Amino acid sequence: AQSVTQLDSQVPVFEEAPVELRCNYSSSVSVYLFWYVQYPNQGLQLLLKYLSGSTLVKGINGFEAEFNKSQTSFHLRKPSVHISDTAEYFCASSMDSSYKLIFGSGTRLLVRP
Amino acid sequence: NAGVTQTPKFQVLKTGQSMTLQCAQDMNHNSMYWYRQDPGMGLRLIYYSASEGTTDKGEVPNGYNVSRLNKREFSLRLESAAPSQTSVYFCASSEGDSYYGYTFGSGTRLTVV
Repeated sequence: AQSVTQLDSQVPVFEEAPVELRCNYSSSVSVYLFWYVQYPNQGLQLLLKYLSGSTLVKGINGFEAEFNKSQTSFHLRKPSVHISDTAEYFCASSMDSSYKLIFGSGTRLLVRP
Repeated sequence: NAGVTQTPKFQVLKTGQSMTLQCAQDMNHNSMYWYRQDPGMGLRLIYYSASEGTTDKGEVPNGYNVSRLNKREFSLRLESAAPSQTSVYFCASSEGDSYYGYTFGSGTRLTVV
């Protein structure tokens, strides 16, 4: 069965430091991969997505993610975080042409001054 | 720029009561989804509608029914609410399958006592 694992439930980091949020997926077929962000008391917004092609994907707000097929990972990175990046981040995957998007349990990014 | 609109935003029900959560999108999207979000579990798909006139079960459909009223509206009904259905419910829409990414509403916080 398809699954997404986010190993870190919370990641504290100081402002202007780099950050990596980890995501591993399981699927034996081609997948689409996504990162969504949820700010407090709001719905989810799409940060970036990997569909095919280049393994490095750039998204909004300076975030990027790298698809690694051999390690079945899709880690999210930002070289310098801001206070405003404090939010919960969800990794998600789906199989090619599927309507079922499977989410990980989320990672809460806490940026401290 | 309404996007996806959910009503109500908050609701408290007694065990055994019924209610319908409403969702409407103004982006002319073909597909619509209902998810529930529980702490530490991410989002889980309840039902989805790939196109007007069709609905399909997701990961956790038990205790829920849905209606795709027209292309814009997709409602979720709890016939006999249970405390286990206390959750935050999100509606989402997309142009088609997961390839397109989803647009989420701001959620309905439901408490069943």
